[in-house]
Amino acid sequence: GAVVSQHPSWVICKSGTSVKIECRSLDFQATTMFWYRQFPKQSLMLMATSNEGSKATYEQGVEKDKFLINHASLTLSTLTVTSAHPEDSSFYICSAREGSNPYGYTFGSGTRLTVV
Amino acid sequence: DAKTTQPPSMDCAEGRAANLPCNHSTISGNEYVYWYRQIHSQGPQYIIHGLKNNETNEMASLIITEDRKSSTLILPHATLRDTAVYYCIVRGYSGGGADGLTFGKGTHLIIQP
Repeated sequence: GAVVSQHPSWVICKSGTSVKIECRSLDFQATTMFWYRQFPKQSLMLMATSNEGSKATYEQGVEKDKFLINHASLTLSTLTVTSAHPEDSSFYICSAREGSNPYGYTFGSGTRLTVV
Repeated sequence: DAKTTQPPSMDCAEGRAANLPCNHSTISGNEYVYWYRQIHSQGPQYIIHGLKNNETNEMASLIITEDRKSSTLILPHATLRDTAVYYCIVRGYSGGGADGLTFGKGTHLIIQP
């Protein structure tokens, strides 16, 4: 079945630095990928939709200049958290859907970001 | 997408069937019912989906009422590894997959030994 690989699985960074998270579709091409954020004991919240070859679409309240998304190929989308602060500490999850896949969306294993 | 209502938590004994309800009274005719689960600190995992007929796969069964206003996910023989948050999501089928999923709060299923 479809597999989405997310890297790194966890990262600790200092406040003010930037962190890049990668999301790869391993055995299928994904023109669209999605980025979610999940705070402790809360549900997943869609942050943005990443479109290959074009600008990402951000959900209301998500700062596009802070969460930079690049979808340069059909198998790779990256999320860069710029000038990270402790309140950005969260679980970030990507997902993708193969166009012909009847089984819905495939999710990565998530990235635990801790900003100290 | 139609709104869903699920109980916040449920317990089930290991080896027994776990029945997770979901209400979706505002579902429209072209919307599917999807179930995902999220084991702690992992990404969500697809379980099953259906439109109006009951569905079964190697993981679970999905029972949808005739009026489609509610459904039940059945894990026939629950194991400790089935402890997770289960999300019921209703949305239209999009072959292009242009829209992300909207997650509610889900049901935290705890399998007791």
